[in-house]
Amino acid sequence: SYELTQPVSVSVALGQTARITCGGDSIENYSVHWHRQMPGQAPVLVIYRDNSRPPGIPERFSGSNSGNTATLTITRVHGGDEGIYYCQLWDINSVVFGGGTTLTVL
Amino acid sequence: QVQLEGPGPGLLKPSETLSLTCSVTGPSIKSGYYWGWIRQPPGKGLEWIATVYHHGNTNYNSSLKSRAIISIDTSKSQFSLRLTSLTAADTAIYYCARLIGNSYVDVWSQGTLVTVSS
Repeated sequence: SYELTQPVSVSVALGQTARITCGGDSIENYSVHWHRQMPGQAPVLVIYRDNSRPPGIPERFSGSNSGNTATLTITRVHGGDEGIYYCQLWDINSVVFGGGTTLTVL
Repeated sequence: QVQLEGPGPGLLKPSETLSLTCSVTGPSIKSGYYWGWIRQPPGKGLEWIATVYHHGNTNYNSSLKSRAIISIDTSKSQFSLRLTSLTAADTAIYYCARLIGNSYVDVWSQGTLVTVSS
């Protein structure tokens, strides 16, 4: 089965740019989606199809996908961006999630 | 959107069967979306369980080894999950969800914690 690899944690200074990676074999051949989960809450979709934003998600959120790595980029981060970010894709009749990355804003 | 029916079973015993139902509001359950179940063990990541389309086509996480059954009742705008032969490893928060094109989850329900313990 397809596997997605994410760093366990990413820390970034307030106002700087956060980049969260999602690794997978030739992941560029897939559409990658990103979900954010705040403590005690259900996940929320923040990026779909590599780099599209659902309504209500700020332009500070963007995505890219190339080679074996997909990346979620968040510019001008603030405390409200903290949470656990999961990448996700669809592969051969299966929904696959990465292990999640905890974003901490310093 | 999608909403879990009722408070959920809470605590179940090993070997029992988990039954959950999700109600769909807004766009029709037959409007081309897929519907699915996802769970999250306490303190861990997300695990997909199963997906169903309105005409009954289903997909399952093979790791659940046929213990999971997903079904849909379009007349009630609901879809359901049954998970049999529960063990402690099935302890998790369970979410129902809407999927776009069997590709990505765009709407999540609130979760319900199911604990399996004797």
